[in-house]
Amino acid sequence: GEDVEQSLFLSVREGDSSVINCTYTDSSSTYLYWYKQEPGAGLQLLTYIFSNMDMKQDQRLTVLLNKKDKHLSLRIADTQTGDSAIYFCAESMGSSNTGKLIFGQGTTLQVKP
Amino acid sequence: SAVISQKPSRDICQRGTSLTIQCQVDSQVTMMFWYRQQPGQSLTLIATANQGSEATYESGFVIDKFPISRPNLTFSTLTVSNMSPEDSSIYLCSVAEGRDYGYTFGSGTRLTVV
Repeated sequence: GEDVEQSLFLSVREGDSSVINCTYTDSSSTYLYWYKQEPGAGLQLLTYIFSNMDMKQDQRLTVLLNKKDKHLSLRIADTQTGDSAIYFCAESMGSSNTGKLIFGQGTTLQVKP
Repeated sequence: SAVISQKPSRDICQRGTSLTIQCQVDSQVTMMFWYRQQPGQSLTLIATANQGSEATYESGFVIDKFPISRPNLTFSTLTVSNMSPEDSSIYLCSVAEGRDYGYTFGSGTRLTVV
C-alpha cells in the first residue's frame, strides 16, 4: 500500500547540519517533495526532486534520493533557529506531479541556540 | 506560483452543525485537493475536487459528510457536516500546478468542535 515514513523528532544545535530522513513505498512516484510547516501556518514547499535524480541542492538545502532503497533525505546546512518547524516529505502518486500527495508523519526539528 | 485564499482561518462550532470552508485561487487550476490534518498528525487527503463533475473521495471519506463544490477553475468549497468533536482538525486546500511549483497549500482552517 501507499506509505511514507519519517522519524518524528530531531534536535540540533544552531549552526549544525540537520538531516531528516524519509522512506516511501511507491516505486512509480515521479516526484518527491519536502514541505515545511511552522506553528499555526500552512505548508510551504521547500524543494522537490524528480525521481531520475540522485541529488538536488538549493542554497542550504540538499536532497538525496536513493531510489533503489526508496529513501529520501533532506539536509539543512548551518541550521538556524528559524528552521524550527515540522518537515513533511511527500510522494506524488503515479507518473505526474499533479496527482494526489501522500505525506509522511512529519519530523519536528528543534534547533537549540 | 498560485496564491490561495482560504476562509475562515479558524472557527469554533457546536456539534451537530455544519461549516463550509472556501478556497479561492488567483489563477485557473485543474486539480484542487482537500486535506485534513488531525492534531499532531500528518495530512490525509479527503478528496480531489474536479471542475464540472463530482469530487473523488478517498477511502474513509464520504460525500454526505464532506460535500465539495467546484463551480469553476478558481474556486472550491468543502463542507464539514453534522460535526462532532472528532472533526476538530486543520483543513487545507491545495492546488497542483505541475513543473517547478508542485503543490501549493492554503493557510488552512483550524476547526474546533465543542
